[in-house]
Amino acid sequence: AQSVTQLGSHVSVSEGALVLLRCNYSSSVPPYLFWYVQYPNQGLQLLLKYTTGATLVKGINGFEAEFKKSETSFHLTKPSAHMSDAAEYFCAVRSRNSGYSTLTFGKGTMLLVSP
Amino acid sequence: EPEVTQTPSHQVTQMGQEVILRCVPISNHLYFYWYRQILGQKVEFLVSFYNNEISEKSEIFDDQFSVERPDGSNFTLKIRSTKLEDSAMYFCASSEGGANYGYTFGSGTRLTVV
Repeated sequence: AQSVTQLGSHVSVSEGALVLLRCNYSSSVPPYLFWYVQYPNQGLQLLLKYTTGATLVKGINGFEAEFKKSETSFHLTKPSAHMSDAAEYFCAVRSRNSGYSTLTFGKGTMLLVSP
Repeated sequence: EPEVTQTPSHQVTQMGQEVILRCVPISNHLYFYWYRQILGQKVEFLVSFYNNEISEKSEIFDDQFSVERPDGSNFTLKIRSTKLEDSAMYFCASSEGGANYGYTFGSGTRLTVV
């Protein structure tokens, strides 16, 4: 069975500072990896995904994530935080073994951005 | 940009009542899902639906739950006899295809059972 661990339920940064949200997965075969963002009272929006190829993937709003197989990690970063980045971020995995496998989510990390 | 639409956005119901949560997935998507998020907890998988039948369900999706795609556009989740612990945000999602695709989620229905 696969699982996702997000370190830190809350991360606080100042505007302009580096954002680093951590995600580690557990799976017998490296899965497909996703980051979703949830703004208050809204649904889940796909930020970026890793399926194959280049291990550094770029997403929307200046976010990027790097797949590191040796570390079973897929950490999300952004060089400079903006107030509008304040939201909850979810890492998710999906098995490569099934054509319609389900997404398994981490518990989420709330990103707080202060002026 | 195509959207997944969910109605209603909020629903309050009395314990023991039946509720139907409605979703309109993206028109060319083939896979449909329901997830739920209890306040303060992780997003949990309920059920997936493909080719007019359930393809996978979690242990949460017991006999009180059912899903239907009654026509070519709607995808519904029915809870027959709601319990207090069913209070949650329910998300519908759809996907074009295989495992390398992300899902497109709707904005959710907040269900409150009183």
